[in-house]
Amino acid sequence: LAKTTQPISMDSYEGQEVNITCSHNNIATNDYITWYQQFPSQGPRFIIQGYKTKVTNEVASLFIPADRKSSTLSLPRVSLSDTAVYYCLVGDLYGRDDKIIFGKGTRLHILP
Amino acid sequence: DTGVSQDPRHKITKRGQNVTFRCDPISEHNRLYWYRQTLGQGPEFLTYFQNEAQLEKSRLLSDRFSAERPKGSFSTLEIQRTEQGDSAMYLCASSRQGEQFFGPGTRLTVL
Repeated sequence: LAKTTQPISMDSYEGQEVNITCSHNNIATNDYITWYQQFPSQGPRFIIQGYKTKVTNEVASLFIPADRKSSTLSLPRVSLSDTAVYYCLVGDLYGRDDKIIFGKGTRLHILP
Repeated sequence: DTGVSQDPRHKITKRGQNVTFRCDPISEHNRLYWYRQTLGQGPEFLTYFQNEAQLEKSRLLSDRFSAERPKGSFSTLEIQRTEQGDSAMYLCASSRQGEQFFGPGTRLTVL
């Protein structure tokens, strides 16, 4: 399973776009990139998943360059309720062994 | 609410006691996972079931820990002779394939 590196913490203001970048230099051909969000005292919640280029859903966008050695989670117009920990994960999530290896994540703090 | 439930939500116990947690996954999900999370850390994988078969156990899962998933439905995680270092949030997740849906967790405090 590829190791990921992401910033420990970030601050932003309400209404801003927030971009969190994750490095995964050893990503394998079969690996997908997945982001989870976790609020205090809750389990992680799936946000978005992608393999290459760009993926967008109602919550976020995920940008993946051609070499796939990094990815950027983009949260448009954040609000106070987006304050949470965001985890970047890579793995063959459709394979037999799909346990998730979490890092420490990025603590995002949204200020009013 | 993801559809995965865990019981109890909180458990306080004295060192040396046994505790058991329950996880009810989303009904059509054949895969079930247990994770442990301590303050400031990401969740750590403990063990994984596909249907009723326990396919993988982490080295974190000492002999005091045991998990079962009878009939491939709900799962239990038992910790025997609890230690203060067992204090953590215990998370359960289920999936059919791919995205994992996490429960709210059981917070264990060992005094």
